[in-house]
Amino acid sequence: DAGVIQSPRHEVTEMGQEVTLRCKPISGHNSLFWYRQTMMRGLELLIYFNNNVPIDDSGMPEDRFSAKMPNASFSTLKIQPSEPRDSAVYFCASKLPWQGATDTQYFGPGTRLTVL
Amino acid sequence: QQQVKQSPQSLIVQKGGISIINCAYENTAFDYFPWYQQFPGKGPALLIAIRPDVSEKKEGRFTISFNKSAKQFSLHIMDSQPGDSATYFCAASYGGSQGNLIFGKGTKLSVKP
Repeated sequence: DAGVIQSPRHEVTEMGQEVTLRCKPISGHNSLFWYRQTMMRGLELLIYFNNNVPIDDSGMPEDRFSAKMPNASFSTLKIQPSEPRDSAVYFCASKLPWQGATDTQYFGPGTRLTVL
Repeated sequence: QQQVKQSPQSLIVQKGGISIINCAYENTAFDYFPWYQQFPGKGPALLIAIRPDVSEKKEGRFTISFNKSAKQFSLHIMDSQPGDSATYFCAASYGGSQGNLIFGKGTKLSVKP
């Protein structure tokens, strides 16, 4: 199994530039999550989708952030314009429909974003 | 009410010792409590999880203890090994079709040889 695939793994950009992070969930998973991880704030949920539909985007920090899931096998997180405080590791995770006893989210390897 | 409070922030244990990480929650509607393990440069991975209908779950050297009345749960790592050195996150969710996790801030565990 390929696992959750994220690209790029590292991104360095300058303030004001547009950044697009990409995620391919595990085949058959119907929920997809975007997280941001920083030392100060820990692991924060930004947005999640069920069956390609955004369910909760209350964690998206501001209008500069947007996320899409055009189909079951692809999602993007876009930051426009980027700012230095957006520097973090961004994780994508996916999971199967609720199974009762266990409900595992599978995380990708993350994208380390540095905004100069 | 949405928070999951985790302590300690960091923990140093000697090889062979017991590592204990604690978490507390407020929302009694939470009904699924997983622990995730994260190694440097990797994404978090599920370690062990518990539902509130049991007070303890053990998988190998890892045990979750759950106290529903106190709204607390903890992870115990027996016979801690240097390979256990990682960051551990507790989490809680409502389960069901929503399934989004509320994570604690994490505990960085270092096991000294």
